[in-house]
Amino acid sequence: SQQGEEDPQALSIQEGENATMNCSYKTSINNLQWYRQNSGRGLVHLILIRSNEREKHSGRLRVTLDTSKKSSSLLITASRAADTASYFCATIYNDYKLSFGAGTTVTVRA
Amino acid sequence: DVKVTQSSRYLVKRTGEKVFLECVQDMDHENMFWYRQDPGLGLRLIYFSYDVKMKEKGDIPEGYSVSREKKERFSLILESASTNQTSMYLCASSFFRGMMTQYFGPGTRLLVL
Repeated sequence: SQQGEEDPQALSIQEGENATMNCSYKTSINNLQWYRQNSGRGLVHLILIRSNEREKHSGRLRVTLDTSKKSSSLLITASRAADTASYFCATIYNDYKLSFGAGTTVTVRA
Repeated sequence: DVKVTQSSRYLVKRTGEKVFLECVQDMDHENMFWYRQDPGLGLRLIYFSYDVKMKEKGDIPEGYSVSREKKERFSLILESASTNQTSMYLCASSFFRGMMTQYFGPGTRLLVL
């Protein structure tokens, strides 16, 4: 039931640059979430955007949602070494189960 | 802060052994989940539980069983471990059925030899 797919699979940027990653999904959604996973650890919820929202901000994170294209993007501005992690989008199916994509691995170089 | 803990960070077992992975959450959450994570495949749901003694199969339940005797504890059981069950296992919880955010434990990296 994996319906989210992140793009690119991997991203390497210089500290201070912005990082953008995209998520495409297959079926209609009520909301979409983004999670971060630091190496070898559990996932941490970053942000949730509802289907009637087009853009949402949280600190240095900006998420957009285009339901007509079934896609979302996550922008991290002014990246830091601590942003090095894998990022996953997740959509709900069957009420409360989450479907995750394979993730985008972001490396921030000092 | 919600805290989800898992009994082991790393585990090495032999083929055929019975393996127990335990997960405990401290926020009185109704829902608990077990996922496995493999490179290139993302997270796949094994089982979830929406109440004590209640469970439902996820997308890949074969070879696994679960137990939820108390609200805060959700155990994943590998009845007879096999090498293809070598993986990262992640436990998660969410407050109630309509709550969409899940809180994850740190994961257990299981190696089956």
